[in-house]
Amino acid sequence: GQNIDQPTEMTATEGAIVQINCTYQTSGFNGLFWYQQHAGEAPTFLSYNVLDGLEEKGRFSSFLSRSKGYSYLLLKELQMKDSASYLCAIGFTGGGNKLTFGTGTQLKVEL
Amino acid sequence: NAGVTQTPKFRILKIGQSMTLQCTQDMNHNYMYWYRQDPGMGLKLIYYSVGAGITDKGEVPNGYNVSRSTTEDFPLRLELAAPSQTSVYFCASSPQGRRGGSKLFFGSGTQLSVL
Repeated sequence: GQNIDQPTEMTATEGAIVQINCTYQTSGFNGLFWYQQHAGEAPTFLSYNVLDGLEEKGRFSSFLSRSKGYSYLLLKELQMKDSASYLCAIGFTGGGNKLTFGTGTQLKVEL
Repeated sequence: NAGVTQTPKFRILKIGQSMTLQCTQDMNHNYMYWYRQDPGMGLKLIYYSVGAGITDKGEVPNGYNVSRSTTEDFPLRLELAAPSQTSVYFCASSPQGRRGGSKLFFGSGTQLSVL
């Protein structure tokens, strides 16, 4: 089976940097995804890591260590619109591109 | 492209009623999924399909049925609605995965209440 842990809530200041951690246990690892979900909306794709290391995309970066079962999402130059839930999800082998999602980290950006 | 379209957006059912949540995608994706999301919980996979005529159970399939007669459509059927099925339902699609999988594209969701 799969198990994913991420903090429930985080608060940060506009303009700052925040790191959201995700640890996981799984058999048949097939990539780690980060999604952003604003209240009342569908999740939208942010990033994907399948190999160890850092993937950078504008203000967002994601890191993966497969040996440690660990990932983080780094958000720079925080904006008020970044207030949302951030979902860590694991892809696992077995066909169908299935993802298992964590419960999400609710990020609140304050002035 | 419209992407993934779900209908209805909101629905209230009485216990024991049945209904079908519709999902269609216009991206020619082989893979489609139904997830449910309860408050404070992650998305849970109900059913998925890897192509027309092929469906399989996910983590929480009890009380639901699906069919996949075409590449575009993947309806979710609730036969005897129960309060435990009150949730937000998301349909998603994905192109057939390369090494390491492919990202999911989500519909806008259906908020269902069973009273």
